Amino acid sequence: GESVGLHLPTLSVQEGDNSIINCAYSNSASDYFIWYKQESGKGPQFIIDIRSNMDKRQGQRVTVLLNKTVKHLSLQIAATQPGDSAVYFCAERDGGTASKLTFGTGTRLQVTL
Amino acid sequence: GAVVSQHPSWVICKSGTSVKIECRSLDFQATTMFWYRQFPKQSLMLMATSNEGSKATYEQGVEKDKFLINHASLTLSTLTVTSAHPEDSSFYICSVPAGGSYNEQFFGPGTRLTVL
Repeated sequence: GESVGLHLPTLSVQEGDNSIINCAYSNSASDYFIWYKQESGKGPQFIIDIRSNMDKRQGQRVTVLLNKTVKHLSLQIAATQPGDSAVYFCAERDGGTASKLTFGTGTRLQVTL
Repeated sequence: GAVVSQHPSWVICKSGTSVKIECRSLDFQATTMFWYRQFPKQSLMLMATSNEGSKATYEQGVEKDKFLINHASLTLSTLTVTSAHPEDSSFYICSVPAGGSYNEQFFGPGTRLTVL
């Protein structure tokens, strides 16, 4: 996939506000999507997933929305906290590739006080 | 979810040497593990799929003779970077699919490799 190089898109949000992180995907055969959070120097941490037969799924303070028509995925974080500051990646699985994931370019979330 | 560890967490080596990175699934038996590479401020790129008891499957553009993968047991996969060069400096991360029909993946903490 194409890399954004040295500059990750950054979203700055004030503490307590809601955050929306977007992701576009291109593979119409993708049947499963995951959002991961990655803090500096650490491995990705699973946040929430959604299957292609759903358009919304909620977790604790997080919601994932899937729009297959425009191949768009979003992660909503309610009442954003300083501990939410990290890089967020969406990942998609092609239904025919036995669980291999393709990662998006990532978005850095900065939570300001 | 599955608990995955990696060792070492960081390593510095001289150019031309080989470095082995271990990935362990601590609470889950994994017939498959994945190895990713991540350059600074970039996304994760899948390098190879490690298969227990058989050869690894490498992604296009990844040199199998340079990145040797051994999946000797259901809980351990190793990645050896042979004859490392500065351009191999990166963050190497492994993951374990948790099973089930959708196989969400759980990631290790990563290994930072710096080649001087």
